Amino acid sequence: AQTVTQSQPEMSVQEAETVTLSCTYDTSESDYYLFWYKQPPSRQMILVIRQEAYKQQNATENRFSVNFQKAAKSFSLKISDSQLGDAAMYFCAYRRGGATNKLIFGTGTLLAVQP
Amino acid sequence: NAGVTQTPKFQVLKTGQSMTLQCAQDMNHNSMYWYRQDPGMGLRLIYYSASEGTTDKGEVPNGYNVSRLNKREFSLRLESAAPSQTSVYFCASRGDRVGTEAFFGQGTRLTVV
Repeated sequence: AQTVTQSQPEMSVQEAETVTLSCTYDTSESDYYLFWYKQPPSRQMILVIRQEAYKQQNATENRFSVNFQKAAKSFSLKISDSQLGDAAMYFCAYRRGGATNKLIFGTGTLLAVQP
Repeated sequence: NAGVTQTPKFQVLKTGQSMTLQCAQDMNHNSMYWYRQDPGMGLRLIYYSASEGTTDKGEVPNGYNVSRLNKREFSLRLESAAPSQTSVYFCASRGDRVGTEAFFGQGTRLTVV
Protein backbone atom coordinates (compact mmCIF):
# COMPACT_ATOMS: atom_id res chain seq x y z
CA ALA A 1 0.00 0.00 0.00
CA GLN A 2 1.12 3.50 -0.73
CA THR A 3 1.98 5.73 2.22
CA VAL A 4 2.93 9.37 2.62
CA THR A 5 5.02 10.57 5.55
CA GLN A 6 5.52 14.11 6.79
CA SER A 7 7.96 13.97 9.67
CA GLN A 8 7.69 17.62 10.74
CA PRO A 9 4.45 18.26 12.64
CA GLU A 10 5.32 21.96 13.05
CA MET A 11 7.73 24.40 11.46
CA SER A 12 8.43 28.09 11.94
CA VAL A 13 10.00 30.64 9.61
CA GLN A 14 10.74 34.35 9.77
CA GLU A 15 8.98 36.57 7.30
CA ALA A 16 11.01 36.95 4.06
CA GLU A 17 13.10 33.85 4.85
CA THR A 18 13.04 30.45 3.14
CA VAL A 19 11.64 27.26 4.61
CA THR A 20 11.57 23.67 3.38
CA LEU A 21 8.87 21.18 4.31
CA SER A 22 9.71 17.48 3.99
CA CYS A 23 7.68 14.64 2.55
CA THR A 24 8.55 11.06 1.73
CA TYR A 25 6.35 8.45 0.13
CA ASP A 26 6.36 4.76 -0.53
CA THR A 27 5.13 3.22 -3.74
CA SER A 28 6.02 0.53 -6.22
CA GLU A 29 4.25 2.33 -9.05
CA SER A 30 6.05 4.20 -11.81
CA ASP A 31 3.11 6.36 -12.88
CA TYR A 32 1.99 8.72 -10.14
CA TYR A 33 1.50 12.33 -9.15
CA LEU A 34 2.54 14.27 -6.08
CA PHE A 35 0.87 17.35 -4.67
CA TRP A 36 1.25 19.93 -1.95
CA TYR A 37 -1.98 21.35 -0.55
CA LYS A 38 -2.28 24.35 1.75
CA GLN A 39 -5.01 24.56 4.39
CA PRO A 40 -5.34 27.99 6.02
CA PRO A 41 -7.52 28.53 9.10
CA SER A 42 -10.53 28.87 6.81
CA ARG A 43 -10.23 25.06 6.26
CA GLN A 44 -10.25 25.43 2.49
CA MET A 45 -7.87 22.99 0.75
CA ILE A 46 -5.83 24.89 -1.83
CA LEU A 47 -3.52 23.23 -4.34
CA VAL A 48 -0.05 24.77 -4.11
CA ILE A 49 1.95 22.73 -6.57
CA ARG A 50 1.87 19.47 -8.53
CA GLN A 51 4.62 17.15 -9.80
CA GLU A 52 4.30 14.38 -12.35
CA ALA A 53 6.57 11.45 -11.58
CA TYR A 54 7.64 11.06 -15.21
CA LYS A 55 9.00 14.62 -15.28
CA GLN A 56 12.57 15.07 -14.11
CA GLN A 57 12.26 18.83 -13.86
CA ASN A 58 11.15 20.12 -10.48
CA ALA A 59 7.85 22.01 -10.50
CA THR A 60 7.81 25.70 -9.62
CA GLU A 61 4.94 28.08 -8.93
CA ASN A 62 6.10 31.59 -8.10
CA ARG A 63 7.64 31.43 -4.59
CA PHE A 64 6.90 27.72 -4.23
CA SER A 65 9.14 25.03 -5.63
CA VAL A 66 9.72 21.35 -5.01
CA ASN A 67 12.74 19.12 -4.78
CA PHE A 68 11.59 15.84 -6.29
CA GLN A 69 14.01 12.97 -5.71
CA LYS A 70 12.35 9.99 -7.36
CA ALA A 71 14.91 7.37 -6.37
CA ALA A 72 14.81 8.49 -2.75
CA LYS A 73 11.00 8.88 -2.88
CA SER A 74 11.29 12.35 -1.47
CA PHE A 75 9.16 15.39 -2.36
CA SER A 76 9.99 18.51 -0.34
CA LEU A 77 8.37 21.93 -0.68
CA LYS A 78 10.45 25.10 -0.56
CA ILE A 79 8.77 28.39 0.19
CA SER A 80 10.91 31.41 -0.63
CA ASP A 81 10.39 34.94 0.68
CA SER A 82 7.87 33.68 3.23
CA GLN A 83 4.85 35.86 3.82
CA LEU A 84 2.42 36.05 6.74
CA GLY A 85 -0.26 34.63 4.45
CA ASP A 86 1.77 31.44 4.02
CA ALA A 87 0.95 30.44 7.60
CA ALA A 88 -1.16 27.31 7.26
CA MET A 89 -1.22 23.54 7.47
CA TYR A 90 0.53 21.97 4.50
CA PHE A 91 -0.30 18.49 3.27
CA CYS A 92 1.72 16.34 0.94
CA ALA A 93 -0.38 13.98 -1.17
CA TYR A 94 0.18 11.10 -3.60
CA ARG A 95 -2.01 9.71 -6.33
CA ARG A 96 -1.37 6.74 -8.53
CA GLY A 97 -1.81 7.37 -12.23
CA GLY A 98 -5.18 6.55 -13.75
CA ALA A 99 -8.56 8.18 -13.99
CA THR A 100 -10.12 6.92 -10.77
CA ASN A 101 -7.36 6.74 -8.22
CA LYS A 102 -7.64 8.61 -4.98
CA LEU A 103 -5.37 11.00 -3.13
CA ILE A 104 -3.42 9.67 -0.17
CA PHE A 105 -2.39 12.35 2.30
CA GLY A 106 0.38 12.77 4.80
CA THR A 107 -0.37 13.94 8.33
CA GLY A 108 0.49 17.56 7.62
CA THR A 109 2.98 20.21 8.72
CA LEU A 110 1.75 23.32 10.52
CA LEU A 111 3.78 26.30 9.32
CA ALA A 112 4.00 29.45 11.42
CA VAL A 113 5.40 32.64 9.92
CA GLN A 114 6.95 35.07 12.40
CA PRO A 115 6.87 38.80 11.57
CA ASN B 1 -18.13 29.46 -9.88
CA ALA B 2 -19.45 27.32 -7.04
CA GLY B 3 -17.05 24.36 -7.46
CA VAL B 4 -17.74 21.85 -4.68
CA THR B 5 -20.47 22.77 -2.21
CA GLN B 6 -20.96 20.98 1.10
CA THR B 7 -23.82 21.35 3.52
CA PRO B 8 -24.02 21.88 6.41
CA LYS B 9 -20.83 23.66 7.48
CA PHE B 10 -21.31 22.83 11.17
CA GLN B 11 -23.38 20.21 12.95
CA VAL B 12 -23.74 18.87 16.48
CA LEU B 13 -25.31 15.45 16.92
CA LYS B 14 -26.18 13.33 19.90
CA THR B 15 -24.83 9.80 20.05
CA GLY B 16 -27.11 7.50 18.08
CA GLN B 17 -28.63 10.19 15.89
CA SER B 18 -28.39 9.97 12.12
CA MET B 19 -27.62 12.59 9.52
CA THR B 20 -26.61 13.03 5.91
CA LEU B 21 -23.85 15.30 4.68
CA GLN B 22 -24.57 16.67 1.25
CA CYS B 23 -22.05 17.38 -1.49
CA ALA B 24 -22.59 18.75 -4.98
CA GLN B 25 -20.16 19.76 -7.71
CA ASP B 26 -20.81 21.73 -10.85
CA MET B 27 -17.64 20.85 -12.78
CA ASN B 28 -19.00 17.75 -14.53
CA HIS B 29 -16.47 15.56 -12.71
CA ASN B 30 -16.84 11.81 -12.67
CA SER B 31 -14.84 11.09 -9.50
CA MET B 32 -16.02 12.20 -6.09
CA TYR B 33 -14.60 11.52 -2.62
CA TRP B 34 -15.37 11.81 1.06
CA TYR B 35 -12.51 12.36 3.51
CA ARG B 36 -12.34 12.92 7.22
CA GLN B 37 -9.67 15.07 8.85
CA ASP B 38 -8.53 14.44 12.40
CA PRO B 39 -5.68 16.14 14.28
CA GLY B 40 -2.35 14.44 13.63
CA MET B 41 -3.84 12.06 11.08
CA GLY B 42 -4.18 14.09 7.91
CA LEU B 43 -7.09 13.36 5.60
CA ARG B 44 -8.29 9.80 5.40
CA LEU B 45 -10.52 8.49 2.65
CA ILE B 46 -13.93 7.21 3.73
CA TYR B 47 -15.59 6.38 0.40
CA TYR B 48 -15.20 7.35 -3.21
CA SER B 49 -17.16 7.13 -6.41
CA ALA B 50 -15.47 6.80 -9.78
CA SER B 51 -18.65 7.50 -11.71
CA GLU B 52 -22.38 7.80 -11.31
CA GLY B 53 -23.79 4.57 -9.92
CA THR B 54 -20.52 3.24 -8.46
CA THR B 55 -19.06 3.57 -4.98
CA ASP B 56 -16.08 1.98 -3.24
CA LYS B 57 -14.76 1.83 0.28
CA GLY B 58 -11.74 3.81 1.27
CA GLU B 59 -9.49 3.55 4.29
CA VAL B 60 -12.05 4.19 7.06
CA PRO B 61 -15.57 3.24 5.82
CA ASN B 62 -17.00 1.71 9.01
CA GLY B 63 -20.04 3.56 10.33
CA TYR B 64 -20.73 5.37 7.05
CA ASN B 65 -22.79 4.87 3.92
CA VAL B 66 -22.74 6.84 0.70
CA SER B 67 -25.00 7.50 -2.24
CA ARG B 68 -23.99 8.78 -5.66
CA LEU B 69 -27.37 10.23 -6.49
CA ASN B 70 -26.34 11.52 -9.91
CA LYS B 71 -23.19 12.88 -11.49
CA ARG B 72 -23.34 16.07 -9.43
CA GLU B 73 -24.18 14.77 -5.97
CA PHE B 74 -22.45 12.44 -3.53
CA SER B 75 -23.86 12.18 -0.01
CA LEU B 76 -22.41 10.68 3.15
CA ARG B 77 -24.71 9.21 5.78
CA LEU B 78 -24.06 8.45 9.42
CA GLU B 79 -26.74 5.99 10.51
CA SER B 80 -25.96 6.00 14.23
CA ALA B 81 -23.45 8.67 15.13
CA ALA B 82 -20.69 7.91 17.62
CA PRO B 83 -18.26 10.27 19.40
CA SER B 84 -15.43 8.71 17.36
CA GLN B 85 -17.02 10.25 14.28
CA THR B 86 -16.37 13.75 15.58
CA SER B 87 -14.25 15.17 12.79
CA VAL B 88 -14.07 17.58 9.88
CA TYR B 89 -15.46 16.04 6.71
CA PHE B 90 -14.39 17.05 3.23
CA CYS B 91 -15.96 16.26 -0.09
CA ALA B 92 -13.80 16.45 -3.21
CA SER B 93 -14.19 15.89 -6.92
CA ARG B 94 -11.84 15.36 -9.80
CA GLY B 95 -12.04 15.23 -13.56
CA ASP B 96 -10.68 12.36 -15.65
CA ARG B 97 -7.98 14.26 -17.48
CA VAL B 98 -4.57 12.86 -16.61
CA GLY B 99 -2.87 14.73 -13.79
CA THR B 100 -5.84 16.90 -12.97
CA GLU B 101 -6.15 18.07 -9.39
CA ALA B 102 -8.89 17.36 -6.88
CA PHE B 103 -11.15 20.23 -5.84
CA PHE B 104 -12.39 20.35 -2.27
CA GLY B 105 -15.46 21.67 -0.54
CA GLN B 106 -15.12 23.89 2.51
CA GLY B 107 -15.65 21.07 4.96
CA THR B 108 -18.23 20.16 7.59
CA ARG B 109 -17.26 20.28 11.24
CA LEU B 110 -19.24 17.54 12.96
CA THR B 111 -19.34 17.09 16.72
CA VAL B 112 -20.98 14.03 18.25
CA VAL B 113 -21.73 14.38 21.95
